Amino acid sequence: EPEVTQTPSHQVTQMGQEVILRCVPISNHLYFYWYRQILGQKVEFLVSFYNNEISEKSEIFDDQFSVERPDGSNFTLKIRSTKLEDSAMYFCASSEETRSYTFGSGTRLTVV
Amino acid sequence: GNSVTQMEGPVTLSEEAFLTINCTYTATGYPSLFWYVQYPGEGLQLLLKATKADDKGSNKGFEATYRKETTSFHLEKGSVQVSDSAVYFCALRAGAGSYQLTFGKGTKLSVIP
Repeated sequence: EPEVTQTPSHQVTQMGQEVILRCVPISNHLYFYWYRQILGQKVEFLVSFYNNEISEKSEIFDDQFSVERPDGSNFTLKIRSTKLEDSAMYFCASSEETRSYTFGSGTRLTVV
Repeated sequence: GNSVTQMEGPVTLSEEAFLTINCTYTATGYPSLFWYVQYPGEGLQLLLKATKADDKGSNKGFEATYRKETTSFHLEKGSVQVSDSAVYFCALRAGAGSYQLTFGKGTKLSVIP
């Protein structure tokens, strides 16, 4: 069964550093998403991406965040200057249409 | 705004016990409703869904019915197994024009032999 692949599974970074989280969506999917889950809290929507542009974003997705599909297969989330409160599990997802997603296993980001 | 409230966990059950995990929602319009499951070390997997009132989603022995009158989508299973131990998330998608899912906090289920 096709999978959404996320790398790395765990990343530790120093506060203030830039971090890039990587995702390989399912190849024929057209819609891409990032979600995050702070430990013990809800899974929260960050951003959706379609046709090479952001289609929807939440209040969390401020100027510190950006997304890119650099080469037609990868989908990345960049955090420019990480803060302690960015520590969370980040989930990538993709879908053919907007109804049913396939999620990746997540990247646990720890900011120290 | 949209929100999902699900029962707090953790929930511990013996094998073959009956499971109910409550989920209620607040949304404008006519949302689609979902249950996702997360097994240890894995991503979120769609368990079942319902897209309109009175629809029943079912999969792997789990069921949930979309109740518009009570704004609920409770997850049930008649006889749980140890392999059902996971975290269960209720979620909604608000409707046409919105791509995002709104999740509940998740309920951790542990099934003991």
